[in-house]
Amino acid sequence: QVQLQESGPGLVKPSQTLSLTCSVSGGSISSGAYYWSWIRQHPGKGLEWIGHIYYSGSTSYNPSLKNRQTISIDTSKNQFFLQLTSVTAADTAVYYCARDLTIGTFDYWGQGSLVTVSS
Amino acid sequence: DIQMTQSPSTLSASVGDRVIITCRASQSISRWLAWYLQRPGIAPKLLIQQASTLESGVPSRFSGSGSGTEFTLTISSLQPDDFATYFCQQYDSYPYTFGQGTKLEIK
Repeated sequence: QVQLQESGPGLVKPSQTLSLTCSVSGGSISSGAYYWSWIRQHPGKGLEWIGHIYYSGSTSYNPSLKNRQTISIDTSKNQFFLQLTSVTAADTAVYYCARDLTIGTFDYWGQGSLVTVSS
Repeated sequence: DIQMTQSPSTLSASVGDRVIITCRASQSISRWLAWYLQRPGIAPKLLIQQASTLESGVPSRFSGSGSGTEFTLTISSLQPDDFATYFCQQYDSYPYTFGQGTKLEIK
């Protein structure tokens, strides 16, 4: 059974960089059958796809975040990462990592990590 | 970006009712549409992909239909576990986008 687990600071100051790690267990992140995505959900709101990465390092991003996001991967540790720069209060959200079937649906999700941007 | 609009935003129903949730895309997405269920404080769960293909383990009371720009999720006979929020998602093109959600409440 594949499991994903987000980790990282729950509080980030405005203008700083949000950094999250997603640790994958029960399957290899190097499988060519999947992408690995980050998705966020503002409190009480809908879902926003941030971007994804393939095991090779190839990425696609949502332009709505104005190129502030970087997704990277470490196949040796079975982890992938999210960095979001220049955060503001509008970036306060629950951040999910998810396994992204290459067609674009998400079949396994982490439990979510609440990140609050506040001084 | 492709905009996804769900209706209604909130739906009140009773156990045993048949309910229909609609999702409209701002442009044709063929059948590249998924439905998710989310319970409070828990990550979404994939129910249906390619508009009508049920994921393994999803009860048969759930069904999806549609193509192009209009899609529906039908629950034939509501069970207590079904009261949650439902999201549609298009994966026809980047960036992937979701509907705003439909909250299914107990009447």
